[in-house]
Amino acid sequence: GEDVEQSLFLSVREGDSSVINCTYTDSSSTYLYWYKQEPGAGLQLLTYIFSNMDMKQDQRLTVLLNKKDKHLSLRIADTQTGDSAIYFCAELSGGYNKLIFGAGTRLAVHP
Amino acid sequence: GAGVSQSPSNKVTEKGKDVELRCDPISGHTALYWYRQSLGQGLEFLIYFQGNSAPDKSGLPSDRFSAERTGGSVSTLTIQRTQQEDSAVYLCASSHTRTTSYNEQFFGPGTRLTVL
Repeated sequence: GEDVEQSLFLSVREGDSSVINCTYTDSSSTYLYWYKQEPGAGLQLLTYIFSNMDMKQDQRLTVLLNKKDKHLSLRIADTQTGDSAIYFCAELSGGYNKLIFGAGTRLAVHP
Repeated sequence: GAGVSQSPSNKVTEKGKDVELRCDPISGHTALYWYRQSLGQGLEFLIYFQGNSAPDKSGLPSDRFSAERTGGSVSTLTIQRTQQEDSAVYLCASSHTRTTSYNEQFFGPGTRLTVL
């Protein structure tokens, strides 16, 4: 069945890089996503990657995709306190039908 | 422009009562989705509407859950005979699948449902 897994918590020092990891099971997924959820706010799409790509860079964000291992990662360079949030990995399943989400990784940034 | 809106933002109800949750998608978006986020859990897909097609109800957890989308716009999620395990944040999202190939879904702020 479809399943997306990610570690639940990550703590980093301000200015360091953060790496959030995710594994998924649906090899037919066309797109994979990273969403950000801040306290009291809705989910916001951070970035996405098409399944035929290995890497995508967008300013401080780098997404790496290993299709063989079904592993996705999000690297945030120069992590700031404003990056503190819950980060959800998701895969697009069933064509355009639905997103399958992981449980979310809570990123805590400390001085 | 306006984003996805949901009402109410919070709902407290007693076990056994029916509740209705409303979602107003972004104008012009043809696709509408409902998800549920339980405490400490990821988002769980519930139902998907695309234009005038029959909805994908594959994620609804029981027959106590139903949803409608009237006129291709506003959607209502109804939970009958609520149970304590229904307590969660219910999130609505919309997308315009013809605009982008990657199908960005725009999420509303959610309705926090508490069943006592």
